[in-house]
Amino acid sequence: DAGVTQSPTHLIKTRGQQVTLRCSPISGHKSVSWYQQVLGQGPQFIFQYYEKEERGRGNFPDRFSARQFPNYSSELNVNALLLGDSALYLCASSPFGQGWAEAFFGQGTRLTVV
Amino acid sequence: TQLLEQSPQFLSIQEGENLTVYCNSSSVFSSLQWYRQEPGEGPVLLVTVVTGGEVKKLKRLTFQFGDARKDSSLHITAAQPGDTGLYLCAGAKDDYKLSFGAGTTVTVRA
Repeated sequence: DAGVTQSPTHLIKTRGQQVTLRCSPISGHKSVSWYQQVLGQGPQFIFQYYEKEERGRGNFPDRFSARQFPNYSSELNVNALLLGDSALYLCASSPFGQGWAEAFFGQGTRLTVV
Repeated sequence: TQLLEQSPQFLSIQEGENLTVYCNSSSVFSSLQWYRQEPGEGPVLLVTVVTGGEVKKLKRLTFQFGDARKDSSLHITAAQPGDTGLYLCAGAKDDYKLSFGAGTTVTVRA
């Protein structure tokens, strides 16, 4: 069974650039959430999408945006990159849109902003 | 501001010893999940507890949810080097997101 897949696995960008990260959820899962994990910290919630609609947004600036496609895959976009955006970006897939539903994470995309 | 406080932050023990990791909050959660994460990888779900006072066992791992559903603990018996990793607790309320603790880094020395 395919788990949550994220691409790319690693990425290096320059300050001011834009980046797009991609996520494919587990087959049958309709919810995708994005988290940012800075080194030494737990993941911080960025967005949740369920059935292609944004269900929630964490405390992140408008430079962060996301969308979910009809096949339930998702993209996270970050504009005007800052050094502080360097982190592991995690995508989590869940069958339901509630936080209590078990979340299954991908391996993450390691973004380095230089 | 983290809703969930984990302690200790770091734990280094010898193979065969026992360890306990704590996860505390002033908030009530509808459920609490424990994950283990290895370097460069995403968190892997270990268990979900949903009922106050619930105890779940997974081989040498024992998870407990507090009666008031505000805290949880993870106990590992006879730790092995393969138990090394970052242990994360995450709480869910009746909404759409998980709130994570900062994690406990466990190192089991052979």
